[in-house]
Amino acid sequence: EPEVTQTPSHQVTQMGQEVILRCVPISNHLYFYWYRQILGQKVEFLVSFYNNEISEKSEIFDDQFSVERPDGSNFTLKIRSTKLEDSAMYFCASRKRQKPASYEQYFGPGTRLTVT
Amino acid sequence: ELKVEQNPLFLSMQEGKNYTIYCNYSTTSDRLYWYRQDPGKSLESLFVLLSNGAVKQEGRLMASLDTKARLSTLHITAAVHDLSATYFCAVVQGAQKLVFGQGTRLTINP
Repeated sequence: EPEVTQTPSHQVTQMGQEVILRCVPISNHLYFYWYRQILGQKVEFLVSFYNNEISEKSEIFDDQFSVERPDGSNFTLKIRSTKLEDSAMYFCASRKRQKPASYEQYFGPGTRLTVT
Repeated sequence: ELKVEQNPLFLSMQEGKNYTIYCNYSTTSDRLYWYRQDPGKSLESLFVLLSNGAVKQEGRLMASLDTKARLSTLHITAAVHDLSATYFCAVVQGAQKLVFGQGTRLTINP
């Protein structure tokens, strides 16, 4: 069964450094998402992406964050200058276009980002 | 703004017992999802509830949706240790993002 994949599984970086988190969504899916989960807390929406542009973003997704779909398969989240509070598990998700729409999203295994 | 609240947040129960987790949400939606998360792992989709009165069952878990009351329940029947995990409900907002509840950490003791 097709799955969303993410790399790396764990990334350790120093404060102020740039990181890129990578995701390969399920191949026939058209909508892509990033969520994050700070340890022990709930899952929070960051951004949604469709048709090569951001369709919605949260207040968390400030100018330090960007997303890109550089080719037909990868979907990336870049954090330009990491802060300690960016330490979290980052999940990529994707969904296909369905009629009727269930909006069901399929989640990847996550990347644990640790900022020191 | 859509708020999703679960209760209880922590639940410790014995094997063989029944219990219910509640998920309330603040604005109209007819799509609600339940996910399971094991420690350090991703979110596993359990149920997709798409209409008022929807009821779905898988093994010892049963989920229902009452859109008029803005309430979903996840009922556990005759709990077994393998069901220990954190359970999240989530509601679609604006046809794009999922808004999650805080999660219910379920521990089932022998």
